[in-house]
Amino acid sequence: SQTIHQWPATLVQPVGSPLSLECTVEGTSNPNLYWYRQAAGRGLQLLFYSVGIGQISSEVPQNLSASRPQDRQFILSSKKLLLSDSGFYLCAWSAFPGQADYGYTFGSGTRLTVV
Amino acid sequence: AQSVTQLDSQVPVFEEAPVELRCNYSSSVSVYLFWYVQYPNQGLQLLLKYLSGSTLVESINGFEAEFNKSQTSFHLRKPSVHISDTAEYFCAVTSTTDSWGKLQFGAGTQVVVTP
Repeated sequence: SQTIHQWPATLVQPVGSPLSLECTVEGTSNPNLYWYRQAAGRGLQLLFYSVGIGQISSEVPQNLSASRPQDRQFILSSKKLLLSDSGFYLCAWSAFPGQADYGYTFGSGTRLTVV
Repeated sequence: AQSVTQLDSQVPVFEEAPVELRCNYSSSVSVYLFWYVQYPNQGLQLLLKYLSGSTLVESINGFEAEFNKSQTSFHLRKPSVHISDTAEYFCAVTSTTDSWGKLQFGAGTQVVVTP
């Protein structure tokens, strides 16, 4: 069966420090991968998505970047964190849209607090 | 582009009473529709989805949703709620022609079940 791992679960970082959040998927190949941010009371905002190794698309301009160095690995990074980067970050994967098993599977999330 | 409106930000309900969470979407093309549930400090879990076929879809824990194309709605219902159904519920939509499968989420509905 497919599983998705996301870490760390919580993170407190000072303003200006770097960030690296990692997400890995097991039990499937060539998944679509996504990073979402959930700010308090603001729903889920799509940050990045990837349909293959090295293929990253950004939905919104921001202080963050994403990389996909391996088929089932998706990394969210920042060189210098801002206070506004605080939030709950969620990684997700999906099969190809329209397949019977299509639908997002989410990781357990990372609570990031920038201080 | 698609958009989702969840008409209620919070729904208080008594245990064993019925509940309905309203979701309306906007799209110029055919869509796939989803309902997710999120418990505090956790990722989102898929409740049910409509990809094609029967417009009434059911989950294993008693929830059901009906796709109404003419009213562009996908309301979620449960005839009798439990305390454990207290959570936030998100409706989501994607276009059937979006090969990247990007989901657009509603702002969420917080369900609070009291004895």
